[in-house]
Amino acid sequence: GAGVSQSPRYKVAKRGQDVALRCDPISGHVSLFWYQQALGQGPEFLTYFQNEAQLDKSGLPSDRFFAERPEGSVSTLKIQRTQQEDSAVYLCASSVLRLPPLATNEKLFFGSGTQLSVL
Amino acid sequence: KNQVEQSPQSLIILEGKNCTLQCNYTVSPFSNLRWYKQDTGRGPVSLTIMTFSENTKSNGRYTATLDADTKQSSLHITASQLSDSASYICVVAGNYGNNRLAFGKGNQVVVIP
Repeated sequence: GAGVSQSPRYKVAKRGQDVALRCDPISGHVSLFWYQQALGQGPEFLTYFQNEAQLDKSGLPSDRFFAERPEGSVSTLKIQRTQQEDSAVYLCASSVLRLPPLATNEKLFFGSGTQLSVL
Repeated sequence: KNQVEQSPQSLIILEGKNCTLQCNYTVSPFSNLRWYKQDTGRGPVSLTIMTFSENTKSNGRYTATLDADTKQSSLHITASQLSDSASYICVVAGNYGNNRLAFGKGNQVVVIP
């Protein structure tokens, strides 16, 4: 596609409900990142994939958060038993290069995000 | 303490005027510094990327400067337009060989007619 696509655009969940957020990166992009952005804050790193391999998941806040990219393209971020503090915008970004893409002048392309509200 | 601090947190400027946004960082060793524009409800879009050897880089009416010695950067917006209303986020990449970026909280700019 022309850009990074995320769905759904908005998600309202009841506390305790499981949610799944989808990211379609730019075709051919090797690297994929998930970020969490609270209101009025900058994005916070969650996890990083190089193709299908999850190379860094140290930013995931708890074991309720799980991400996968089984075929090296589309990625899904799953949050189990959602809590109110999970309410945020979840951004996906992709980059064409392999490690370490961010140590170069390579651009990172962001999707519009999924705004998750947990009631 | 956040590794990237931005100021002012927010500002309102008249259409046609200039403004300058500041970014101070402590990330070390340093690889590159990026400025992103984030419109409300959208993902960040890259404006400039600078390595330590670059002092200034322009993208249309946006000009970024970098002083790697003092660990400071600025983003200057010339002849502001209503469409410049957005959050401007300073992002620093460390030279760790990993893929962590340090994000600032952003400068919220509102341009009024």
